[in-house]
Amino acid sequence: GQNIDQPTEMTATEGAIVQINCTYQTSGFNGLFWYQQHAGEAPTFLSYNVLDGLEEKGRFSSFLSRSKGYSYLLLKELQMKDSASYLCAVMDSNYQLIWGAGTKLIIKP
Amino acid sequence: GAVVSQHPSRVICKSGTSVKIECRSLDFQATTMFWYRQFPKKSLMLMATSNEGSKATYEQGVEKDKFLINHASLTLSTLTVTSAHPEDSSFYICSARGPGGHTEAFFGQGTRLTVV
Repeated sequence: GQNIDQPTEMTATEGAIVQINCTYQTSGFNGLFWYQQHAGEAPTFLSYNVLDGLEEKGRFSSFLSRSKGYSYLLLKELQMKDSASYLCAVMDSNYQLIWGAGTKLIIKP
Repeated sequence: GAVVSQHPSRVICKSGTSVKIECRSLDFQATTMFWYRQFPKKSLMLMATSNEGSKATYEQGVEKDKFLINHASLTLSTLTVTSAHPEDSSFYICSARGPGGHTEAFFGQGTRLTVV
C-alpha cells in the first residue's frame, strides 16, 4: 500500500529552526510537495521537489532523497505566524497526490 | 501562483436540503479538479477526481449519488451535497490542476458546511 509518515506534532521556539520529516512508500514517484495549512483554511503551496537535493526558498527549504524515500521541510527564523499544520504529499505514478496526515507545528515565544 | 476560487466559504443548511459548492480556476484551464473533505485535526480525504467533460471518479466509500460532481467547463467544477445530514458537516476543499502531470494543485479557500 501507499504510505506517508510525518510526526503528528512538533513544538519550537520563535526565532529557532525546525525540521519536519516525511517518509513515503508509494507506487511510483512524480514529485513531493509541502503545503502549509492554518486552522480553518485551505492548504497553501510551499515547495515541490522531484530531484534529490535541497531547494531553498526564503526561510523555508525542502530536501529530498528518492533512494531513501525521505524528505524534510526546514523552517528557519521561526515566527509566530508559522504555527500551522504542514502537509507532505507525494505524486504517484498516476499523478495522484497521496497525502500525509500533517504535522502540527506549535511556535512558542 | 494560480488562483482557485471556491464559493461559498461558509454555509449552514437544514437537514434534508441540498447545497452546491462552486470551484473556479480564475487564470488557468483546470483539466483536473479534486474534491477533498477534511475532518478536524485530520488530513485531506480525497472524495473524487473530475476531468472536464467526463464523469467524476469517486474514491471508495464516497456515495456518488449523494455527492454530485459536475465539471462542465475547464474553469468550473461544482460539488452538490444532496439531502444533507448533520454527519455531512465538514470542511470541503477543491483543488485544480492544469494540463500536464507535473503541475502542482492549487487549492480553493474551502467551504465550511454545517448541517443543522
